Amino acid sequence: NAGVMQNPRHLVRRRGQEARLRCSPMKGHSHVYWYRQLPEEGLKFMVYLQKENIIDESGMPKERFSAEFPKEGPSILRIQQVVRGDSAAYFCASSPPGTSGRQDTQYFGPGTRLTVL
Amino acid sequence: AQSVTQLGSHVSVSEGALVLLRCNYSSSVPPYLFWYVQYPNQGLQLLLKYTSAATLVKGINGFEAEFKKSETSFHLTKPSAHMSDAAEYFCAVSDDYKLSFGAGTTVTVRA
Repeated sequence: NAGVMQNPRHLVRRRGQEARLRCSPMKGHSHVYWYRQLPEEGLKFMVYLQKENIIDESGMPKERFSAEFPKEGPSILRIQQVVRGDSAAYFCASSPPGTSGRQDTQYFGPGTRLTVL
Repeated sequence: AQSVTQLGSHVSVSEGALVLLRCNYSSSVPPYLFWYVQYPNQGLQLLLKYTSAATLVKGINGFEAEFKKSETSFHLTKPSAHMSDAAEYFCAVSDDYKLSFGAGTTVTVRA
């Protein structure tokens, strides 16, 4: 399957712990986007990255959240000192090089469901 | 900023009946609009997208959507529902590279 891969699919953390969510984009894709889906809501944009660069993090909470997309390996969304309000589904999407325009398709992964106890 | 509103959080249809999911948009520029489907515990799959080439857009699995500028709408339809259409459907508008999603409509199909 050459689709976007995310792991883990389900993650349980206690308040105060760290959560690390991984996203491997589709083969050949160099643009990665992270979205968060809170219960009963649509997806909300968090961050847009290209290899080794954060292009737009305007949707990221100012504290405790960070994202990276290294030259080698998957993109990582890191949440430090998690709180119950961080419980949500986190989706990663990717698109090929030369895209990221308004009409370009983003391909989504299956998501990571984070539960904070 | 661009945004979409989906009317109706839940829609129930009989197998074989018309499926109609409503989406209205707000955009200061000509919009690019998308419909995605999400099956339980899966990611979002693109059904179709409007990029101004044609107002009637055909997608996968028999779905289509019509862009109506005068009504600022992009409703999704399927003439005959199948049990496999049970899922959550999201309308989205692109704001540069960001997608802004509606709250979603859950479709149930009755046998």
